[in-house]
Amino acid sequence: GQQVMQIPQYQHVQEGEDFTTYCNSSTTLSNIQWYKQRPGGHPVFLIQLVKSGEVKKQKRLTFQFGEAKKNSSLHITATQTTDVGTYFCAGSGGYQKVTFGIGTKLQVIP
Amino acid sequence: DTEVTQTPKHLVMGMTNKKSLKCEQHMGHRAMYWYKQKAKKPPELMFVYSYEKLSINESVPSRFSPECPNSSLLNLHLHALQPEDSALYLCASSQPGQGPYSMRGYTFGSGTRLTVV
Repeated sequence: GQQVMQIPQYQHVQEGEDFTTYCNSSTTLSNIQWYKQRPGGHPVFLIQLVKSGEVKKQKRLTFQFGEAKKNSSLHITATQTTDVGTYFCAGSGGYQKVTFGIGTKLQVIP
Repeated sequence: DTEVTQTPKHLVMGMTNKKSLKCEQHMGHRAMYWYKQKAKKPPELMFVYSYEKLSINESVPSRFSPECPNSSLLNLHLHALQPEDSALYLCASSQPGQGPYSMRGYTFGSGTRLTVV
């Protein structure tokens, strides 16, 4: 079955430093989504990428989808304490079924 | 504020009890989902309803029984659960799509934290 691997599992950064999490799929994806889950909260949808090589930005967040549609990344520039949480990628290879990566837990040290 | 409402927020039940989790959305979404999330793990898909019909069951044990009474409501009936079923149960909804948009972004509820004793 489809597997989505995500690294790193944990990342501690000093406030103001950049942060990147990477996602790799064992199969070609139709699309990939990114979610953020704050401690004690629920996942919140950030973005969906569909096209090969797609790059999207949301303020300090940059999302990329690989040319082969098998990998993706989320980059945060100049982290802030409000960025703390777990970031999940979620890949879809077919109708309505999505596989979540294990998540990257981000800690930001003030 | 979440637009998917789940009740109750917390539930403690014995292994012989029967209980139900409820989920409601008023965004006009026609796909609804149940996910299970254990601590420090990603959400795991349990069931998918599309246009009020069960379209995916991820080999979930029969002690979990989903129900979709109408396009806004989703229930999860629980019976004879085991302690290892303790987890955060998340409901989500989305618009079903086609082709590369076959999966639209989910809106998750805040979840029901279930403890089985």
